[in-house]
Amino acid sequence: SQQGEEDPQALSIQEGENATMNCSYKTSINNLQWYRQNSGRGLVHLILIRSNEREKHSGRLRVTLDTSKKSSSLLITASRAADTASYFCATDGGGADGLTFGKGTHLIIQP
Amino acid sequence: KAGVTQTPRYLIKTRGQQVTLSCSPISGHRSVSWYQQTPGQGLQFLFEYFSETQRNKGNFPGRFSGRQFSNSRSEMNVSTLELGDSALYLCASSLAHREGEKLFFGSGTQLSVL
Repeated sequence: SQQGEEDPQALSIQEGENATMNCSYKTSINNLQWYRQNSGRGLVHLILIRSNEREKHSGRLRVTLDTSKKSSSLLITASRAADTASYFCATDGGGADGLTFGKGTHLIIQP
Repeated sequence: KAGVTQTPRYLIKTRGQQVTLSCSPISGHRSVSWYQQTPGQGLQFLFEYFSETQRNKGNFPGRFSGRQFSNSRSEMNVSTLELGDSALYLCASSLAHREGEKLFFGSGTQLSVL
């Protein structure tokens, strides 16, 4: 079953603009991770935020986590054409279900 | 260091057949997880192996099985294939799949069932 739900499902912006994607989940988590997937390929880990953290940065990426609202956001600043991909949030509840992924946001960066 | 290797990259089978997919994890990684990705259901967890033992299993029928060898390489098998089994099957490895570890994914095996 899907725990994370990304919003929007698709996003198209101009190169250089910022892109924001949101993720909501349903149950308590130990951590939340964001992954990127280029068309038809494997997923690449971007960033992990633990349940006791509120914000984390990595290069042009900024992730926030609000456990009271069970939501997270991923901000990509100064977007580039190479950022075109699908982005997934994945929750780790520490149970036996592995990581639970949302259905992803498909991001298109227009040159 | 080589990444996660999945073979074959593409596979076409017919209903009723069985299929075996292979995954070689990153050297030193002892945990291997399998995920099924479809446009309708997204990414769904199949199972996870650590040190040749299945530790966790997702909500899939018994037609889906797997195993892990002493060198950490893993295979998954799907018997009596159905049209709905058409999907991208992704393998991921980690050191020990402890809480907070990130997963390293292979490029996947695209299975088409006709």
